[in-house]
Amino acid sequence: QSVLTQPPSVSGAPGQRITISCSGSNSNIGAGSDVHWYQHLPGTAPKLLIYGNNNRPSGVPDRFSGSKSDTSASLAITGLQAEDEADYYCQSYDNTLTGPYVFGTGTKVTVL
Amino acid sequence: QVQLQESGPGLVKASQTLSLTCTVSGGSISTGDYYWSWIRQPAGKGLEWIGRIYTSGATKYNPSLKSRVTLSVDTSKNQFSLKLSSVTAADTAVYYCASFQGGTRNFFDYWGRGTLVTVSS
Repeated sequence: QSVLTQPPSVSGAPGQRITISCSGSNSNIGAGSDVHWYQHLPGTAPKLLIYGNNNRPSGVPDRFSGSKSDTSASLAITGLQAEDEADYYCQSYDNTLTGPYVFGTGTKVTVL
Repeated sequence: QVQLQESGPGLVKASQTLSLTCTVSGGSISTGDYYWSWIRQPAGKGLEWIGRIYTSGATKYNPSLKSRVTLSVDTSKNQFSLKLSSVTAADTAVYYCASFQGGTRNFFDYWGRGTLVTVSS
């Protein structure tokens, strides 16, 4: 039922830069809807990481950044740290009956 | 900072009604700054938005669940609640409550830890 597609997993060594893609369509990201990103460690409350495509809430390190282009978006993590190992989800607004608030399929980030 | 905590039965029988409550702390549910929302995640699957409610009682539901969902708010207790009727095994999931920034923002800024609800036959 997820209308936003993410890679199931991404991995990287400490200190590296990784990116997570979020592919949508013309009914959500391509229609101009903002993309937001969440970090989730199992058993804890999901945390807002990026809002409005590329804005960080207070307290989120600047190692995390977001971008958006056409019908897709990306989350980049630079200087990867062990504590970044978590699940990451994108979210947007969809103007079809599947919405209106839709999430990505989720990406498991593993720090090697 | 707003904190949210879900509570309710962890086991519900098929065909019955699932009922959960979210208690908000660190701020008043009546401030008008947020909508209040429910989201769920079946095991091994993605996140699904269920619905949202404003302090006035105005609601918006996921079209796929609309016929079975009822949200309510109790400002005196700083709580909001979810009722999902006629549940089946497909409704087994971790249920999260969250604050939602509406308007042109459309994101969930604070979440609870979630509570697992299992539907048994």
